[in-house]
Amino acid sequence: AQSVAQPEDQVNVAEGNPLTVKCTYSVSGNPYLFWYVQYPNRGLQFLLKYITGDNLVKGSYGFEAEFNKSQTSFHLKKPSALVSDSALYFCAVREIGNTPLVFGKGTRLSVIA
Amino acid sequence: DAGVIQSPRHEVTEMGQEVTLRCKPISGHDYLFWYRQTMMRGLELLIYFNNNVPIDDSGMPEDRFSAKMPNASFSTLKIQPSEPRDSAVYFCASRSGSLGDTQYFGPGTRLTVL
Repeated sequence: AQSVAQPEDQVNVAEGNPLTVKCTYSVSGNPYLFWYVQYPNRGLQFLLKYITGDNLVKGSYGFEAEFNKSQTSFHLKKPSALVSDSALYFCAVREIGNTPLVFGKGTRLSVIA
Repeated sequence: DAGVIQSPRHEVTEMGQEVTLRCKPISGHDYLFWYRQTMMRGLELLIYFNNNVPIDDSGMPEDRFSAKMPNASFSTLKIQPSEPRDSAVYFCASRSGSLGDTQYFGPGTRLTVL
């Protein structure tokens, strides 16, 4: 069965510093990997995804993520954090095929001015 | 595209009342998903449809919950009778049938059962 782990409930980072939100996954085959962001009182917004090809994926708002097959990880990164990046971030995985996305529990990112 | 549309955005009701949540998926999307989000349990998949047919409802918590998709552009999630523990944010999401396609979420319905 597929699963996703986000080991940190909370990540705090100073504005202007690089940020990393961690995600590891488990699937039996090749994965489709996604990151979503949720701002207060809003739905989940798609940030980026890895399907195939280049392991470094670039997405919205300057975010990027690197697919690492050997470590089964898909960490979300941004070179310089903004206060407006403060939100709840979800990693999700789907095996190839039309199975539903499986979401991690979410990581709350707090960027401090 | 208007995105996934949900109504109402907020619903406050009393225990025992029937609640109906509505969703309009993105046009052309073959899959529709209903999720529930709470602080305690996070994001839970309740049920999903493919081409209007329910595929997996194993996440529906109790028989009080039911979902329908009478056509490709409309789905409902009904709770009857509602209980205070049903208070949560309910999200609808949709995506196409293309492998690797992105799943898009609606804004959610915040349900409060008193």
